[in-house]
Formats: sequence, C-alpha cells, structure tokens
Amino acid sequence: DSGVTQTPKHLITATGQRVTLRCSPRSGDLSVYWYQQSLDQGLQFLIQYYNGEERAKGNILERFSAQQFPDLHSELNLSSLELGDSALYFCASSVGAGTRRETQYFGPGTRLLVL
Amino acid sequence: QQQVKQSPQSLIVQKGGISIINCAYENTAFDYFPWYQQFPGKGPALLIAIRPDVSEKKEGRFTISFNKSAKQFSLHIMDSQPGDSATYFCAASAPSNTGKLIFGQGTTLQVKP
Repeated sequence: DSGVTQTPKHLITATGQRVTLRCSPRSGDLSVYWYQQSLDQGLQFLIQYYNGEERAKGNILERFSAQQFPDLHSELNLSSLELGDSALYFCASSVGAGTRRETQYFGPGTRLLVL
Repeated sequence: QQQVKQSPQSLIVQKGGISIINCAYENTAFDYFPWYQQFPGKGPALLIAIRPDVSEKKEGRFTISFNKSAKQFSLHIMDSQPGDSATYFCAASAPSNTGKLIFGQGTTLQVKP
C-alpha cells in the first residue's frame, strides 16, 4: 500500500458526461501528479500540483481540469467525455516539488469507462 | 525529443534466467531515469533509479546499466522469479522545477516456473 488513495475505483459513464476523480496524497506529501494510462498511449503525464499551485502541465486536454485543495487532496475533472477518454487514471504524490527527484508514490488508480 | 522508447513490448523468461529491458531517449537534458514496476490492478511502484553520472546501479537482483553516449539505459533482472512477473516502465525526467516523468510504453514480463 503506497498510502495514496483514489476514489472511485471504477467509473462507468456515458459520452458527453462529466466526472470527478479524487486523490488523497500520502501524509506529508505536498505534490500531486495525475497520469493517464491507456493501452495505446501508455502512461502519460497530465498535470502536477504542488502545495495548492499548478506546477507543471503535460498533454492535458482542455476538457480536463484539476485542482489541489488546502488539505492537499486533489480532484481531476473530466468533462464532455468521449469514448477515447476511457483509461486508467493514476494519482501520484511526492514529498516535494520534484526538483530533488523525490520518489513518486502511485495510488491504485481509477478505471474510467465511457460508453 | 520528449519520448522514451522501450523494448521489448513483452518478454518471457524461464525462472532463474536474466530479464533485460531496454530504453532509449533523445533529450540529452534528461538527468534522472527511474524504473517502475506495476502488478495487475495496482499502481506503478518505484523499483530503482539512476542518474547519468554513474554507468551502473545495482539493488539486489535488479541492475540499471546506463550508456550516456548512446542515450540508452536498461534494466537487468538477475535470477528472475515468477513473482517478478509484472509490467515494467522506464521513465525519464529533465531538470526543471517539477517532477514530471516521461514514461516508456512498458514491457510485460512473464517468468515461467
């Protein structure tokens, strides 16, 4: 158990809908990272938050947004969902901003299926 | 430039054998190369990592070999065990004020008893 929790574990929804994925980092970790894992694209970095502020952005679609709250949990919002958004979404956390190459601890993931 | 290419896509090894997974990169600014191990239904977990100032790092049965001039690095699993059966990802990170990781496509390893 990495100490990172993600809810829900599974999510089934329809095209055009909006969902929210939630992540609680390990106790003491200030950074939260979101990654998308699909069969054809592998593990893709989406976005990083550090202590409430956006730190880095990857190939995140405009339909997706995220935030980190004062208690350091993070939410990833996916809207106007398309079939191609079906994937595993992982959250990871690290103690710092990543500049010292701290270990990123991954949660168990949320499996999203868009029908 | 930002890609990390990983091979093979899948690998079958007999118990006790050596598993070798290779990765190549283009961006010479990358300065941190971790390997992650992922079991079915679980998130990836850091296995071992290396920086380009060393050519090899060993932790137990796991060794990273790094060739800076060739821009390649590889994971060797000695005395492979059925419990090593998992998907392995190489990754890379460039100096910045973030922890962004660029991952390879992954290698599914099966160790046969």
